Amino acid sequence: EVQLLESGGGLVQPGGSLRLSCAASGFTFSSYGMSWVRQAPGKGLEWVSYSGSGGSTYYVDSVRGRFTISRDNSKNTLYLQMNSLRAEDTAVYYCAKQRGRQYSNYYMDVWGKGTTVTVSS
Amino acid sequence: QSVLTQPPSVSGAPGQRVTISCTGSSSNIAAGSDVHWYQQLPGTAPKVLIYGDNNRPSGVPDRFSGSKSGTSASLAITGLQAEDEADYYCQSYDSSLSGWVFGGGTKLTVL
Repeated sequence: EVQLLESGGGLVQPGGSLRLSCAASGFTFSSYGMSWVRQAPGKGLEWVSYSGSGGSTYYVDSVRGRFTISRDNSKNTLYLQMNSLRAEDTAVYYCAKQRGRQYSNYYMDVWGKGTTVTVSS
Repeated sequence: QSVLTQPPSVSGAPGQRVTISCTGSSSNIAAGSDVHWYQQLPGTAPKVLIYGDNNRPSGVPDRFSGSKSGTSASLAITGLQAEDEADYYCQSYDSSLSGWVFGGGTKLTVL
C-alpha cells in the first residue's frame, strides 16, 4: 500500500526553525517528484515546494529563501527545513506524491495525513 | 487571492446535479496545463477526484466528471448524495509562477 507519513510539526516561536519529515512507503520513492502543500486554519490549499526525482527544486514566492526542500532516497524520506518562521506559516503541512509526464500535467495522487505547524509566541 | 478562482460555495438537494467552476488565465489553464480536482472531507487530507481534466482514478464514482474549455474548467456532480458534502479544489500548473496553483476551494452543501 502506498503511504506517506509526515512528522516534525509543533509549536515554534516567530523567527524559529522546524524540520518536517515525510516517510514514504509502497512505491519507488526515488522515481517520483514530491511536494509539500499547506493549509492554514480555515483556509484553502497552497502548494509550498517541490522536489523532483532528478534533483530540481521549486518554491512558492512566500517561502523562497526561508524554506529548503530535500530528499534522502536511501531512506525514502522527504524533508522541509523551515527557517525564519512567521505567524502566517501556521498551517497543516501535507506531503504529496506527484504523478504525470511533465510539470504542466502533474497532479498529487497520494497525500499524507499532515502535520501541524503553529508559529506563535 | 488565489490564482484559480472558484465560487466559495454551492449547494443542491440529494439527487440533483451541481457544477463547480474554476477560472484561470493565459499562464495556466489557457496555456494548456491540465486541471485536476480534489475532494477534502471534513478533518481529512485531500483526495484526487479528477486528473488530467476529465479522468477518474479507480474507485471514484462516475457521478463525478470534469471538463475544460479556454481559461476555465468545471467539475460536475450528478445524483448528489449526502456523503458528497465536502470542500472541492481545482489545481493546475502556472508557467509564469513556475509552480502549482490551487483554487480557493468550494464548499458543497447537500440540502
